[in-house]
Amino acid sequence: GAVVSQHPSWVICKSGTSVKIECRSLDFQATTMFWYRQFPKQSLMLMATSNEGSKATYEQGVEKDKFLINHASLTLSTLTVTSAHPEDSSFYICSCDGQYFGPGTRLTVT
Amino acid sequence: GQQLNQSPQSMFIQEGEDVSMNCTSSSIFNTWLWYKQDPGEGPVLLIALYKAGELTSNGRLTAQFGITRKDSFLNISASIPSDVGIYFCAGRGSGNTGKLIFGQGTTLQVKP
Repeated sequence: GAVVSQHPSWVICKSGTSVKIECRSLDFQATTMFWYRQFPKQSLMLMATSNEGSKATYEQGVEKDKFLINHASLTLSTLTVTSAHPEDSSFYICSCDGQYFGPGTRLTVT
Repeated sequence: GQQLNQSPQSMFIQEGEDVSMNCTSSSIFNTWLWYKQDPGEGPVLLIALYKAGELTSNGRLTAQFGITRKDSFLNISASIPSDVGIYFCAGRGSGNTGKLIFGQGTTLQVKP
């Protein structure tokens, strides 16, 4: 299956700042990548589908202006959390093929 | 949004016992997947099912894709301490091009 990496593995930022999370497909050319969010003791919820060379598709209730997604190449998608707030603190996980997942990024907003 | 109903929510068993968990949905799925997630890590794919009625094993794990395409179960035989973790089912409907719907998870604890 696809090998997926994420960077950073964890990040702490202050309220109001922006944070960028990278998702890389190491052995698979992904025209579509998926971003999920997982709050403590909860399941994974799909946030958006990242499409290479075009706009991302966001799930209902996810603010596209707050969670900026860029999929500039077949191996890299980035998720930028803009003007982060404490309620954005979560575990962000990506998938490059819809089946295999990255190791996740723990975001803590203080 | 759409969600799978996964049960039980948690299990506390003795090492060596067998475990069974299941997921049901009101919608038909074309793919059922079972994952294990350890704390602070991403989910790891255990078994993938692509056809109604399919029964697939991976070591001590066995999973089945229900005939109605609305349910799936995962069995773990002869549990060991390293089986501890959270198990998630996930389903994909037709035309969803990769989007997965996840169950709520089953937390498994194994007593040595």
